Amino acid sequence: EADIYQTPRYLVIGTGKKITLECSQTMGHDKMYWYQQDPGMELHLIHYSYGVNSTEKGDLSSESTVSRIRTEHFPLTLESARPSHTSQYLCASSELRDRGTDTQYFGPGTRLTVL
Amino acid sequence: KNQVEQSPQSLIILEGKNCTLQCNYTVSPFSNLRWYKQDTGRGPVSLTIMTFSENTKSNGRYTATLDADTKQSSLHITASQLSDSASYICVVSDRGSTLGRLYFGRGTQLTVWP
Repeated sequence: EADIYQTPRYLVIGTGKKITLECSQTMGHDKMYWYQQDPGMELHLIHYSYGVNSTEKGDLSSESTVSRIRTEHFPLTLESARPSHTSQYLCASSELRDRGTDTQYFGPGTRLTVL
Repeated sequence: KNQVEQSPQSLIILEGKNCTLQCNYTVSPFSNLRWYKQDTGRGPVSLTIMTFSENTKSNGRYTATLDADTKQSSLHITASQLSDSASYICVVSDRGSTLGRLYFGRGTQLTVWP
């Protein structure tokens, strides 16, 4: 079982609310990622980070923002949630190794529903 | 366009039976291929990883094969158990960037009935 945690596990909120999804890992991994996954669909990378103070946007356009002030912590924030943001959000981390050879360890996910 | 296609989309088998899941990819340049297991409401967990030079990798009752020439992989599950019910995701990594970009399939939803 990977030591990567996400809170909350489930969140139901109203449109326009600001939310922060928490992700933390205790493995000392430099690389961290946020994915969005809809039922029956593939994971889409929305943000990633190589280390502290490093953040990049992924392949899927997202209105969310991330920060990486500490190695172990990679929170995702939505300033104004909308129903289109309803989805499962998965956080992952991996070691900084040769390109593509690192294994990503995933958290349990946050199921977000915006009414 | 780099893609990962998995088949079947869903599969139902009886406990104790074997099954094989398929993955075809067009990702290039190829770095490695992984199979992940994702239980409902959970994050994916890595089962196997294979590089270009490897053509088979086992992890308990799971055996993955890779044919880099035809760009095909399969995941064989032996003597299935109820706990094998999950989505199995094929993930291919390229060598075209420092990040080692991952391409995800949509998964095969396996249901094992008693």
